[in-house]
Amino acid sequence: SQKIEQNSEALNIQEGKTATLTCNYTNYSPAYLQWYRQDPGRGPVFLLLIRENEKEKRKERLKVTFDTTLKQSLFHITASQPADSATYLCALGRQTGANNLFFGTGTRLTVIP
Amino acid sequence: GAGVSQSPSNKVTEKGKDVELRCDPISGHTALYWYRQSLGQGLEFLIYFQGNSAPDKSGLPSDRFSAERTGGSVSTLTIQRTQQEDSAVYLCASSLNGGRAAYNEQFFGPGTRLTVL
Repeated sequence: SQKIEQNSEALNIQEGKTATLTCNYTNYSPAYLQWYRQDPGRGPVFLLLIRENEKEKRKERLKVTFDTTLKQSLFHITASQPADSATYLCALGRQTGANNLFFGTGTRLTVIP
Repeated sequence: GAGVSQSPSNKVTEKGKDVELRCDPISGHTALYWYRQSLGQGLEFLIYFQGNSAPDKSGLPSDRFSAERTGGSVSTLTIQRTQQEDSAVYLCASSLNGGRAAYNEQFFGPGTRLTVL
């Protein structure tokens, strides 16, 4: 079965630095990959989507890369702020079948002022 | 406009009881998904509805779990004879449509925290 791993449970960085989160997957060929943000007690909120034929996507201070050879996606937050502190989830979408997502366990990011 | 809403926000029940969890998707969204999130685990897919098509139930963990979606809108997830391992946050999401061509983002509700004693 597919396996989705996010590099670490928790990541602490200093305000202003770039946070880099990793999502690795095995036994899977996703059609696309999404990143979500989840705050405590809330549902995930969509941030970015990248398709299998795309290498990089940007949105404001966010950047996502997708390497289907390495089976890896990197999620970057530049000029990080304490308000960026949250859990970030990567999610893979299928090539065929239903449109449900397969989620990683998430990385809890803390940006220290 | 209103987002996805779920009720109740919290539910405590005794082992062996049945529970019903409700989801109101965003108006006009044809696709609806149920996931559950256990402590320290990722979101686990349970069931997916797309329009009037038969639901994809491939993620339901046992026959104690069932879901329906009435009128293409509100959905109810039912867990019969609850067990302690059913304790989790149950999340509902909707998207504009389920077609992969659109790669629709999913809009999540706040979840229902279920505790089975």
